[in-house]
Amino acid sequence: DSGVTQTPKHLITATGQRVTLRCSPRSGDLSVYWYQQSLDQGLQFLIQYYNGEERAKGNILERFSAQQFPDLHSELNLSSLELGDSALYFCASSVPRGGGYGYTFGSGTRLTVV
Amino acid sequence: GIQVEQSPPDLILQEGANSTLRCNFSDSVNNLQWFHQNPWGQLINLFYIPSGTKQNGRLSATTVATERYSLLYISSSQTTDSGVYFCAVGTGGGNKLTFGTGTQLKVEL
Repeated sequence: DSGVTQTPKHLITATGQRVTLRCSPRSGDLSVYWYQQSLDQGLQFLIQYYNGEERAKGNILERFSAQQFPDLHSELNLSSLELGDSALYFCASSVPRGGGYGYTFGSGTRLTVV
Repeated sequence: GIQVEQSPPDLILQEGANSTLRCNFSDSVNNLQWFHQNPWGQLINLFYIPSGTKQNGRLSATTVATERYSLLYISSSQTTDSGVYFCAVGTGGGNKLTFGTGTQLKVEL
């Protein structure tokens, strides 16, 4: 157990639907990152939150949104789903430790859009 | 944006062999990490190494920031080392990472 918890582990849904992926960071970590891993695009950065505030944005579609709550857990909302959104979605957390910024990843949510 | 290239893309080893994986990046970085994605999909952080050399058991890594490359050494490989090894780099603030395309490693008995 890495200490970063993602739920659900698997999700199958139909095109056009909306889903919410949840991430609880490792205890004490303030930063949460969302990544998408697909066969053709590799690991792509989506968005980062730090202590409740959006810190950086990557290749995140307008149909996707995220937030980080006061208890530091984060949710990634995916709407108007398309077949191409099928992928592994990872959450990672980090906090400066001894000057380092090592990531800890959760086990991911495998999303299948049918 | 920054480009991250990893080589080789694929590698097959016999158990007990040693290997070196390379990561080249196109710009100065202040964050470099190596990850192992096991066959079950889990991403494990191996090293945070924006510069210098670190060792952890059979694994070690060296980053030469001035020449924009990093190396991951695996010694006495085991079947459990199989999976994909990713190099990821960060620039500026914010701490987001750009991942390379990975090296797919298979260790055979």
